Amino acid sequence: DTAVSQTPKYLVTQMGNDKSIKCEQNLGHDTMYWYKQDSKKFLKIMFSYNNKELIINETVPNRFSPKSPDKAHLNLHINSLELGDSAVYFCASSHPPTGNYGYTFGSGTRLTVV
Amino acid sequence: QKEVEQNSGPLSVPEGAIASLNCTYSDRGSQSFFWYRQYSGKSPELIMLIYSNGDKEDGRFTAQLNKASQYVSLLIRDSQPSDSATYLCAVMRISGAGSYQLTFGKGTKLSVIP
Repeated sequence: DTAVSQTPKYLVTQMGNDKSIKCEQNLGHDTMYWYKQDSKKFLKIMFSYNNKELIINETVPNRFSPKSPDKAHLNLHINSLELGDSAVYFCASSHPPTGNYGYTFGSGTRLTVV
Repeated sequence: QKEVEQNSGPLSVPEGAIASLNCTYSDRGSQSFFWYRQYSGKSPELIMLIYSNGDKEDGRFTAQLNKASQYVSLLIRDSQPSDSATYLCAVMRISGAGSYQLTFGKGTKLSVIP
């Protein structure tokens, strides 16, 4: 019954590996997001998709590639992981992508690169 | 100038007191304003949304917005130890790509002392 679900919850991996984080929402929302929260708890947007189309792509390394197979799913693939990628990654969704609606967040994926 | 600014705290208040959290933002075109609560190790949870000047009350929470001063605040009355968390101010604005984007402050850590 979870509204926005992410898997895995924890991910520990070595530098240079490639990993994916999956996100699914069952709220019927049109727009999904990926946010990164660093060690200082600063939550920063990475990507936004509306109905499977990319609408926000903040300055993140090309090693990060989002994929949205349908409007209920937004996955994040990361190539050649680096130590600095260690953070908590949150998926979120909203409907519609404008104005006066808050976002619903998933429970987060804590990525640790060693 | 940072887009959304908050005092990082920690802010300590005794149980039963009023906790006052403040936030300023730089973009005068910002549309709506949110307060999220984030417990340690958990995802952000929406607690208040405000988009008109003035006050909005919901239970023990009151959000105040002053667009002329670019200032938004959150008051928590009768503070409880369970209110101890990081409170994130977020502002909905139009990004450079012409889409709506929710931008977060760095959060204020609140501790309610029993």
